[in-house]
Amino acid sequence: GQNIDQPTEMTATEGAIVQINCTYQTSGFNGLFWYQQHAGEAPTFLSYNVLDGLEEKGRFSSFLSRSKGYSYLLLKELQMKDSASYLCAVRDSNYQLIWGAGTKLIIKP
Amino acid sequence: GAVVSQHPSWVICKSGTSVKIECRSLDFQATTMFWYRQFPKQSLMLMATSNEGSKATYEQGVEKDKFLINHASLTLSTLTVTSAHPEDSSFYICSASDRPISGANVLTFGAGSRLTVL
Repeated sequence: GQNIDQPTEMTATEGAIVQINCTYQTSGFNGLFWYQQHAGEAPTFLSYNVLDGLEEKGRFSSFLSRSKGYSYLLLKELQMKDSASYLCAVRDSNYQLIWGAGTKLIIKP
Repeated sequence: GAVVSQHPSWVICKSGTSVKIECRSLDFQATTMFWYRQFPKQSLMLMATSNEGSKATYEQGVEKDKFLINHASLTLSTLTVTSAHPEDSSFYICSASDRPISGANVLTFGAGSRLTVL
């Protein structure tokens, strides 16, 4: 079966750095997405990786290793507004998006 | 950027009634819209893929007669939960794309509709 694993919850301090990991086993691979979802709201796009390596976008970076079935989202200079759930999603060989359950990130002052 | 409007944002209904949720692409034509359901602390679960002018494609385990999807135009898709029951209470989210699903094409999500069935 297809599976995406990410930690259920993480806590970090304002101003610090946090890394959210995602491992996946899917039938084929056509890209990996990270979305941010605040409570009661729809997900918003953060990043996309299809080749191995690091993609940097401001305070957020995303890394992919296809051989390891692994990705991480790195958030720097954490702000209170970064408190949200972070969803990892993989597009499989049929271009279906397979979603992880999300990682709830709690930022403390 | 692309905007998807979803209405209503929340609805409470009695068991046995039907509820319609609308999903509109405001500034682009969405040839394909997706309907998701999300239970608390769980991942998004794709319910169906809706293509304009044709029947929706439902995921395994989703009852097409219970969750009626109509994609009548390039900017509007509706999800009707028929004869709703308390177990149908969930967060329903639509998403849309203005181009084929490939490459870095990103889905735009509506704000979601929280359904509570009493």
